[in-house]
Amino acid sequence: GNSVTQMQGQVTLSEEEFLFINCTYSTTGYPTLFWYVQYPGEGPQLLLKVTTANNKGSSRGFEATYDKGTTSFHLQKASVQESDSAVYYCVLGEGGRALIFGTGTTVSVSP
Amino acid sequence: DTTVKQNPRYKLARVGKPVNLICSQTMNHDTMYWYQKKPNQAPKLLLFYYDKILNREADTFEKFQSSRPNNSFCSLYIGSAGLEYSAMYLCASSSPGGNAEQFFGPGTRLTVL
Repeated sequence: GNSVTQMQGQVTLSEEEFLFINCTYSTTGYPTLFWYVQYPGEGPQLLLKVTTANNKGSSRGFEATYDKGTTSFHLQKASVQESDSAVYYCVLGEGGRALIFGTGTTVSVSP
Repeated sequence: DTTVKQNPRYKLARVGKPVNLICSQTMNHDTMYWYQKKPNQAPKLLLFYYDKILNREADTFEKFQSSRPNNSFCSLYIGSAGLEYSAMYLCASSSPGGNAEQFFGPGTRLTVL
């Protein structure tokens, strides 16, 4: 079946450090991949979306690309701030309305 | 306004009793969703309404009911709560089209005792 795997449950960084989160996906179709971010007390919100393999999506200093050959999708930011502390979800869309979420990566950034 | 609202934010229920959770959105979105989120697990889609058509996931088909009396409101109903229903319930909505952005509410934390 279609699935998303996020192996990093927790990432701890200091401000201005580099963030890299990776996930892998499995699908028989032509996926669109998303990163959603959830801040404390709020619901998940779209951070960015990548519709084509090897294309780059970017938003708020974050960048993401997905590699169809390795079925991997990653999110990175060159220099994190304390305000980037949140849960980041890798999400697979298959063209319909349903989304498949990963288990999330909790990013904690200390000043 | 891109707000999705959920009521209540916290709900305490007794085993065997019914539970009704409410969601609303004012974006005129045609699709509304309900997800269940348990600790250390991915948010899991339970069901969604596309306009007035209800689609329920196969493995949760008999456990959850839903209604959508108008475009703005959607409820999630549990007829007889069990301990395994304790979770965060997230409502979302989206505009027409595949892979559309989903807008989430803050969630309702349900605790079943």
